[in-house]
Amino acid sequence: KAGVTQTPRYLIKTRGQQVTLSCSPISGHRSVSWYQQTPGQGLQFLFEYFSETQRNKGNFPGRFSGRQFSNSRSEMNVSTLELGDSALYLCASSQTGKARETQYFGPGTRLLVL
Amino acid sequence: DQQVKQNSPSLSVQEGRISILNCDYTNSMFDYFLWYKKYPAEGPTFLISISSIKDKNEDGRFTVFLNKSAKHLSLHIVPSQPGDSAVYFCAAKSQGAQKLVFGQGTRLTINP
Repeated sequence: KAGVTQTPRYLIKTRGQQVTLSCSPISGHRSVSWYQQTPGQGLQFLFEYFSETQRNKGNFPGRFSGRQFSNSRSEMNVSTLELGDSALYLCASSQTGKARETQYFGPGTRLLVL
Repeated sequence: DQQVKQNSPSLSVQEGRISILNCDYTNSMFDYFLWYKKYPAEGPTFLISISSIKDKNEDGRFTVFLNKSAKHLSLHIVPSQPGDSAVYFCAAKSQGAQKLVFGQGTRLTINP
């Protein structure tokens, strides 16, 4: 089975721009979660989608948004980019989103905001 | 408030010896714990997990121990191999939640 895929792998943007990142989960997985990794804050939860609905949201400003499509693929969008948004953005998928279920991560998208 | 803590930022172990990575948590609602291994510029790779109803889980060279009363878990790698050199993250989930809460990671270096 193919793993979680994320595109693009690298992005360079300037302050004020917006960006859209894409994630394709493992086949059959319906829950998709997004995380941000920075040197200062570590790995932090952004949001989780299941069956096209956002079920959980982390403590991030409204500039961070996402959506999930009927085929479980997910996108996240960051508007009005700030320098502090430079990070590795990771997508993870699991089958149903149940609590005692392992999440499998993609390779990440590295975003650099100049 | 750091709910999951990995107090050792780094650990150096001789090849062939045992590596022990530690993790403490504060939230008593956590009931599922996972260890991930991460290389730079890559996503975390799942290693092993343990449910709160168990106190030990083994998978090959990897064993995770959970001490609920101490709110402490540890990952044992025996024997340690050079390919084990990476950053190891401890993560926890509470019942009903999909969100993973991560520790800050421990950089493990295996010396030949």
